[in-house]
Amino acid sequence: LAKTTQPISMDSYEGQEVNITCSHNNIATNDYITWYQQFPSQGPRFIIQGYKTKVTNEVASLFIPADRKSSTLSLPRVSLSDTAVYYCLVGTGYSSASKIIFGSGTRLSIRP
Amino acid sequence: EAGVVQSPRYKIIEKKQPVAFWCNPISGHNTLYWYRQNLGQGPELLIRYENEEAVDDSQLPKDRFSAERLKGVDSTLKIQPAELGDSAVYLCASSPGTVDRDTQYFGPGTRLTVL
Repeated sequence: LAKTTQPISMDSYEGQEVNITCSHNNIATNDYITWYQQFPSQGPRFIIQGYKTKVTNEVASLFIPADRKSSTLSLPRVSLSDTAVYYCLVGTGYSSASKIIFGSGTRLSIRP
Repeated sequence: EAGVVQSPRYKIIEKKQPVAFWCNPISGHNTLYWYRQNLGQGPELLIRYENEEAVDDSQLPKDRFSAERLKGVDSTLKIQPAELGDSAVYLCASSPGTVDRDTQYFGPGTRLTVL
């Protein structure tokens, strides 16, 4: 099973770039890597998804090396409102080797 | 477009009582998920439906938990009887269909407290 490992917590300051790395050594060939953001008392919200190399959208970038055993979520110029828990998810459940497993996430705290 | 709707938002019951949670997914979404999230942990998948068929219920404690999605739209998750350890947030999510890169849209969850 493609379990993920992330730092438990990270701190940063407003205006900084934040990079959160996720390790997924057993990623399956067909697995995509998806990142979610969760605020207190809300369900997780999709941020970005990728398969390899680099993906960028209006809120984040996702870097995936060639071996796909890790990925890095990059948040440019964070603000206080980016304080949340970030989950790296590998697996979609659409094959027996691709179970949906959320890890414990990374609790990101942004300070003024 | 309306998001995933869940009710109730909060529920407090005594142990051994039954409880049910309801979820209405985003219109047109074929895949529906139920998760349980304990405090400080990530969501744990309980069951996944493709239309009305449960295609992954390997993590559902079947002795006390049951779920249904009779017409392939809304769904109900039931616990009977509830135990103290069932206190958690129960999340429902939906996604458009059977595509490997499907992304999930989550509802706000139901916070269950078992006394």
